[in-house]
Amino acid sequence: SQTIHQWPATLVQPVGSPLSLECTVEGTSNPNLYWYRQAAGRGLQLLFYSVGIGQISSEVPQNLSASRPQDRQFILSSKKLLLSDSGFYLCAWIGGETGAGYGYTFGSGTRLTVV
Amino acid sequence: QKEVEQNSGPLSVPEGAIASLNCTYSDRGSQSFFWYRQYSGKSPELIMFIYSNGDKEDGRFTAQLNKASQYVSLLIRDSQPSDSATYLCAVNPVGNQFYFGTGTSLTVIP
Repeated sequence: SQTIHQWPATLVQPVGSPLSLECTVEGTSNPNLYWYRQAAGRGLQLLFYSVGIGQISSEVPQNLSASRPQDRQFILSSKKLLLSDSGFYLCAWIGGETGAGYGYTFGSGTRLTVV
Repeated sequence: QKEVEQNSGPLSVPEGAIASLNCTYSDRGSQSFFWYRQYSGKSPELIMFIYSNGDKEDGRFTAQLNKASQYVSLLIRDSQPSDSATYLCAVNPVGNQFYFGTGTSLTVIP
């Protein structure tokens, strides 16, 4: 079966520090992968998506970047975090278990607090 | 105008009652509609999807879609305390872009 792994679960980082969040998918090949951010009391905001290795589309200009070094690996990075980068970061892919249609399946998320 | 709008709630219903969650969307060309449940501190979980006008039932959940009115709803029958969560409506116009509402918080009171 297909599974999506995301880590770490929680992270507290000082302003100006770097960031690296990793997401991997198992049980499927060439998935479309997505990074979303959910700020407190706000909706889900699409940050990046990727349809294949090395192919990244950015939806929101910011100090974050994404990379897809392998087919089932998606990485979210920052060189210098801002306070406004705090939030709940979710990796997702389209597909999943039978009955999911082609909606998103989300990873367990990373709670990032920038202090 | 927001792409997807939901009543933020909170919505409170007694156990055993029907909970009704509503969502409107702005892109008339939208083709696919999804409902996600998100427990506090957890990631969203897909519970229903609907593509055609009308009703779609899955257990205690019924999704209703009216494309002419640009309206999609989720009914939860025989609500249980375990249904207490935030429910997110998502709309997929075309391609890879999904638009999410900000969610409706539901509390089922025992």
